Parts: sequence; C-alpha cells; structure tokens
Amino acid sequence: AQSVSQHNHHVILSEAASLELGCNYSYGGTVNLFWYVQYPGQHLQLLLKYFSGDPLVKGIKGFEAEFIKSKFSFNLRKPSVQWSDTAEYFCAVQSQVFLVFGKGTRLSVIA
Amino acid sequence: SAVISQKPSRDICQRGTSLTIQCQVDSQVTMMFWYRQQPGQSLTLIATANQGSEATYESGFVIDKFPISRPNLTFSTLTVSNMSPEDSSIYLCSVLYLESNTEAFFGQGTRLTVV
Repeated sequence: AQSVSQHNHHVILSEAASLELGCNYSYGGTVNLFWYVQYPGQHLQLLLKYFSGDPLVKGIKGFEAEFIKSKFSFNLRKPSVQWSDTAEYFCAVQSQVFLVFGKGTRLSVIA
Repeated sequence: SAVISQKPSRDICQRGTSLTIQCQVDSQVTMMFWYRQQPGQSLTLIATANQGSEATYESGFVIDKFPISRPNLTFSTLTVSNMSPEDSSIYLCSVLYLESNTEAFFGQGTRLTVV
C-alpha cells in the first residue's frame, strides 16, 4: 500500500527565514504529487502539483517543490516565509484516482 | 475549478444518533470521495461515492457505519451512523474531474463532535 511520510510535525520559523518541508512516499510506479495547505479555519487549497516534466514545480504564494524520483521525495520550499504562511501543510500522492495524504506539518511563523 | 458546498459545517451530536452530511458541487464531476480527518491526524479516505451504485469503501470502513449515496453527478451524502465519541472528526467531500487530470478539490469540511 502507498504511504506518505512528512518528516516534521511542527515547524516554527521567524519571518523571512527559509522553509523546507520534507515529504517521502512509498510507491514504485508513476505518481502524481501534490502539496495542499490548510489555513486556520479554512478548507484545503492546492499549493502546487507535479504530474510530469520539469521536476521543479512552482506554485502559488512563492512556494516551490522538487520531485526527486530516485529518493521518492517531493520537498516543499519557500525562500522567505511570512506570518501569513502559518498553516498546516499536507503532502499527497495520487497513483490511482484518490489521494493518499501525509500526516501534515504545522508551520508557525513568528514575527 | 469546482465550488463545493458541504452542509452542515459543524455539529455537536449525542452518541448513538446519526448525522447526514451533504456535498453539492456546482458542476458535474467524475469522481466524488469522502475523507475523514481525525484530530491531529491526516486525511484518510473513507470511500469513493459511485453514481447509482454502492460506494467503494476503504479498509476499515463499512457501509453500515458510513452509508453513502450519490444519486447524480453533482450531489452526495455521507451518514455517520450510531455515533460514538471516536467519530469526532472533520469529514471532507472531495471531487475530481478525471478527464482533465486536474487536482482534487475539497469542500470546507464538516466538523463533527460527538458527546
């Protein structure tokens, strides 16, 4: 069965610090990869996705992620976080039609 | 993109009762799913809602506990039956347009508390 592992449960950063959230998955076949964000009190929103092509994908709000096939990884990055990036971040893998989610990483950005 | 409306947005229910959650989409979608997000946990797929036939349940979820209906391409319901405090979770509806291979869209969720 597929599984998605997010390495950090809770990350606390100061504004302007750089962010990298780890995501690894276990599945040997072709997958689609996603990062979703859930701001406090709001529903899940798509940050970015990878289906094929350039393994470095750019999403909304300055986020990007790099797919490294050999490492089964899809890490999320942002060069400089803002207070408004405080949220829960979920990595997800799609090999069939439904998504398998990681446990999420809570990001807290402090001034 | 899809606009998904879930009702109710939250509820507090007595144990032993049942709650039906509705999911309405503003356009016809290929796939509809129901997920559960338990406190402090990730999203777990409960089932795929199939139009006009029985839903496809994931391991650990059964129809008697989580009956699902999908009478057409834009609407589905999930019932949480005979509730216990362990059913306290956020329940989310998700849709997918298979033909366009886009991302899945999510409703705002239903926060259920069982007391």
